[in-house]
Amino acid sequence: DAGVTQSPTHLIKTRGQQVTLRCSPKSGHDTVSWYQQALGQGPQFIFQYYEEEERQRGNFPDRFSGHQFPNYSSELNVNALLLGDSALYLCASSSQGPETQYFGPGTRLLVL
Amino acid sequence: AQSVTQLGSHVSVSEGALVLLRCNYSSSVPPYLFWYVQYPNQGLQLLLKYTSAATLVKGINGFEAEFKKSETSFHLTKPSAHMSDAAEYFCAVSENYGGATNKLIFGTGTLLAVQP
Repeated sequence: DAGVTQSPTHLIKTRGQQVTLRCSPKSGHDTVSWYQQALGQGPQFIFQYYEEEERQRGNFPDRFSGHQFPNYSSELNVNALLLGDSALYLCASSSQGPETQYFGPGTRLLVL
Repeated sequence: AQSVTQLGSHVSVSEGALVLLRCNYSSSVPPYLFWYVQYPNQGLQLLLKYTSAATLVKGINGFEAEFKKSETSFHLTKPSAHMSDAAEYFCAVSENYGGATNKLIFGTGTLLAVQP
């Protein structure tokens, strides 16, 4: 049983560019959450998708947007990249309800 | 608002010694509490979770944690450290609303070093 997968593993962009990160949830999971982990920090919640809708959102600007597809996979889009967006972006999947979130390996984004 | 405080950003123990990583939480409703481990250049792996059942929770790799409501704590322990335990450990809280998957609020992490 494949766990949570994310692509790409690493990405380098320049300021002002746009980026799309992808996540496939664990089999049987219908909820995807995205987190940003800056160097030396704990992960920060960006938003969560369920039934193709954004259900919860953390304290992130509108430059951060997402999408969930009918197969439950998800994308995270970041527009107008800033140097401060450099971080490890983690995707977590779960079943709806107070269930454990399982994390993928992350995408490391570097903005130059 | 919920929050998590992890005391000690770096902890160093000798191989075979007791591991104690501290976590205190703040929550206005009964919380769910989690410990995750992160090895270098990897994602987060769940060690254990508390979801309002037994207050002493046993996890993988010999770790356990005890939920103490009166102290608002959820400290992680392991009787005997192994070299492979060297990693970063994160405590997290989510609110127990029962109906939805709620966001996780993480602490800033504790980096555990194990000396031979």
